[in-house]
Amino acid sequence: GESVGLHLPTLSVQEGDNSIINCAYSNSASDYFIWYKQESGKGPQFIIDIRSNMDKRQGQRVTVLLNKTVKHLSLQIAATQPGDSAVYFCAEKTGANSKLTFGKGITLSVRP
Amino acid sequence: EAGVTQFPSHSVIEKGQTVTLRCDPISGHDNLYWYRRVMGKEIKFLLHFVKESKQDESGMPNNRFLAERTGGTYSTLKVQPAELEDSGVYFCASSQLRGGITEAFFGQGTRLTVV
Repeated sequence: GESVGLHLPTLSVQEGDNSIINCAYSNSASDYFIWYKQESGKGPQFIIDIRSNMDKRQGQRVTVLLNKTVKHLSLQIAATQPGDSAVYFCAEKTGANSKLTFGKGITLSVRP
Repeated sequence: EAGVTQFPSHSVIEKGQTVTLRCDPISGHDNLYWYRRVMGKEIKFLLHFVKESKQDESGMPNNRFLAERTGGTYSTLKVQPAELEDSGVYFCASSQLRGGITEAFFGQGTRLTVV
């Protein structure tokens, strides 16, 4: 399959620890932000999203934080599991039906 | 319900040849997007269809790439003639056309290798 993590920064965490993946975005006009997970041989899979009028949103084991002042987005994964190993991408969009602009991916590697 | 499907999953062609990628979006999704990821880098936008019309093709790299969506259902992306730098994974995504923000669902991608 595709080497999804080639040339990307890697975050290595111990199984059971919490993971924090960070992303800087560029467009201050973006009003919607999404985190995607991509496993080898698969397409990006939606994890969680947040709108620009919020600064925090929680899902199951995941939390997204948005800091519009510094244009920073983070994804927190609680109790990281081996199945969380993948490449994670942040993405932004402006407008309901517009294109997604992806950030550089980060490879998350979970040590057993 | 079937998700976004792409065909083929892999394609290896020689430089100068032609390749056509196909994407079948989720039924009822008027938005269809093509993206590609080259050499493990970030995913880049290519173009956006709303039904059969090209809404935004600002990401198309050059005129060797031609995308169509006749009838507003499935879409094809043709590369003619293919060059080495076209190698990468081509993703298709679809979403509902609504006033509010809707989630985009991605296909598994087509891995194109030009040799």
